[in-house]
Amino acid sequence: DIVMTQSPLSLPVTPGEPASISCRSSQSVLHSNGYNYLNWYLQKPGQSPQLLIYLGSNRASGVPDRFGGSGSGTDFTLKISRVEAEDVGVYYCMQDLEFPYTFGQGTKLEIK
Amino acid sequence: QITLRESGPTLVKPTQTLTLTCTLSGFSLDARNLAVGWLRQPPGKALEWLSLIYWDDDKRYSPSLRNSLTVTKDTPKNQVVLTVTNVNSADTATYYCAHVDFGGKPVHFAYWGQGALVTVSS
Repeated sequence: DIVMTQSPLSLPVTPGEPASISCRSSQSVLHSNGYNYLNWYLQKPGQSPQLLIYLGSNRASGVPDRFGGSGSGTDFTLKISRVEAEDVGVYYCMQDLEFPYTFGQGTKLEIK
Repeated sequence: QITLRESGPTLVKPTQTLTLTCTLSGFSLDARNLAVGWLRQPPGKALEWLSLIYWDDDKRYSPSLRNSLTVTKDTPKNQVVLTVTNVNSADTATYYCAHVDFGGKPVHFAYWGQGALVTVSS
């Protein structure tokens, strides 16, 4: 299985400040088609997860442009340019290059 | 508008079989390049992928649970059913179904159900 490792696991952020979450995979998730099969999800308190970023850097429909995904191969980053109060929750990365799909442990973002 | 809704028992006894239904709306699983996935989340823990069923009835399962999972689709009812046999306390979790679109760029799990909390206890 591809192991996904996120850091940090806890992220206190002041509103208006940027935030960054790292996700590393135990093997490359770069497909031969040139896409990185890496997604980011946010699970707000008491809610189902929601897709933020797919294929490494593509924002899902309706996702604010303050969210950005980058990286390739085994190292990926989710950046929030200016954190807002509504961004609190747990962020997960997931690889869907090969089965079984695997998730990171989650990063809990909280407002200072 | 694409929606998914999970339904099933909230309490199951150990060794019993758990059956969960995902009712689809706004799309049909006989449409090419679509799939439905099942995932779960034990209380306070991370998400775990369980299975995927494709429009053409191809299926994939988590290897660690392969012997206890079965996924089927009922196209006329627009439903996907997940069964988990011989459950134990480790199967206590919120179970989600989610939409996958392989047309063009593959998009996994852009739409999720609200989740179904299942507790395994005697």
